[in-house]
Amino acid sequence: NAGVTQTPKFRVLKTGQSMTLLCAQDMNHEYMYWYRQDPGMGLRLIHYSVGEGTTAKGEVPDGYNVSRLKKQNFLLGLESAAPSQTSVYFCASSSRQFANTEAFFGQGTRLTVV
Amino acid sequence: SQQGEEDPQALSIQEGENATMNCSYKTSINNLQWYRQNSGRGLVHLILIRSNEREKHSGRLRVTLDTSKKSSSLLITASRAADTASYFCATAVGGTASKLTFGTGTRLQVTL
Repeated sequence: NAGVTQTPKFRVLKTGQSMTLLCAQDMNHEYMYWYRQDPGMGLRLIHYSVGEGTTAKGEVPDGYNVSRLKKQNFLLGLESAAPSQTSVYFCASSSRQFANTEAFFGQGTRLTVV
Repeated sequence: SQQGEEDPQALSIQEGENATMNCSYKTSINNLQWYRQNSGRGLVHLILIRSNEREKHSGRLRVTLDTSKKSSSLLITASRAADTASYFCATAVGGTASKLTFGTGTRLQVTL
């Protein structure tokens, strides 16, 4: 059981380039999330999805787009990367609302924008 | 802004000692969760305590919740070097329980 898998694990981008981060979960979870983690800031929610075909903005959505075309996949896109988007990105999933359950996290994607 | 704030930011203890980390939050919650993050890895769920619970145990972990003070504590007893990690509290807030809000974390170092 792989759980939550993120691709790629590391990436270096030049300012202005675009890329897509892929998150895949094999637990049939309804909810999926993208967080970014910066030193001293903890984890901040970028976007999330409460089911296939749905997305919603989190705390820091600017500069990112997401899609949830399939239940098991949640994609995070950067259309024009900026140095401020240098961070570690984590995907997570949960079976239902957090009122009753925990999140399962991927191993992270370390992105550097130069 | 962060919903949860952990205290202390960093903690260094010797193996066998107990480690206590605190978390304060700002608004009413459905539940509060604690996660561990080993260096360079993803977060792993440790324990969930609901707003109507005051204390919960899981192995060497003990979590308390005081909703009147909007605070929680995580106690790790008889710590081991393998407990070295960052620990985060996270809250699920009523009305927005479809997402978790994380604190800034406590870095725990357990030395031999």
